Amino acid sequence: GAVVSQHPSWVICKSGTSVKIECRSLDFQATTMFWYRQFPKQSLMLMATSNEGSKATYEQGVEKDKFLINHASLTLSTLTVTSAHPEDSSFYICSAPGVASGELFFGEGSRLTVL
Amino acid sequence: QKEVEQNSGPLSVPEGAIASLNCTYSDRGSQSFFWYRQYSGKSPELIMFIYSNGDKEDGRFTAQLNKASQYVSLLIRDSQPSDSATYLCAVKLSGSNYKLTFGKGTLLTVNP
Repeated sequence: GAVVSQHPSWVICKSGTSVKIECRSLDFQATTMFWYRQFPKQSLMLMATSNEGSKATYEQGVEKDKFLINHASLTLSTLTVTSAHPEDSSFYICSAPGVASGELFFGEGSRLTVL
Repeated sequence: QKEVEQNSGPLSVPEGAIASLNCTYSDRGSQSFFWYRQYSGKSPELIMFIYSNGDKEDGRFTAQLNKASQYVSLLIRDSQPSDSATYLCAVKLSGSNYKLTFGKGTLLTVNP
């Protein structure tokens, strides 16, 4: 299957700082990528759809000014958590759709801990 | 709101048994259904997808789809301790391009 790589896999930061997470499609081009957030023992919640060359589409309740998404190339999308607070601590996972059957391939995930 | 429902479990089965995981969905127009496995602290990995009513088998895994009942299931034969994980049901809702809606997942424990 297609490979999606995410970096960093974990990050610890102080409250008020910004954190950038990268998501790369390694062996295919992805005009669309998805960013999910998962709290402990909860399901994946879609935050936003990242669109190459255009603005991201955010789900209801997700602050677009807090979670900045940039999809500057066909293989890279970034999520920046601005002015992070402890309640932003979560597991952030990116994904990209496979071309053939529409399944999503997930990155390894990035665990963010805000102190 | 269009939903995907799963029993959160935990579902506990002995090694070698058949594990049966169930999922219902509310959007009758949904066309594509996926099962993902997620180990603790890891991201989900795709096990199977199914589009048509009936059964689809892949090794020890069988996905079953009944669109009339809006029900999709995953059977795991000869369960192994390494199958212990959370299993996520995902549905591509009608009208969405690639966007998937996930259930909360069922925690499966296979006891040696």
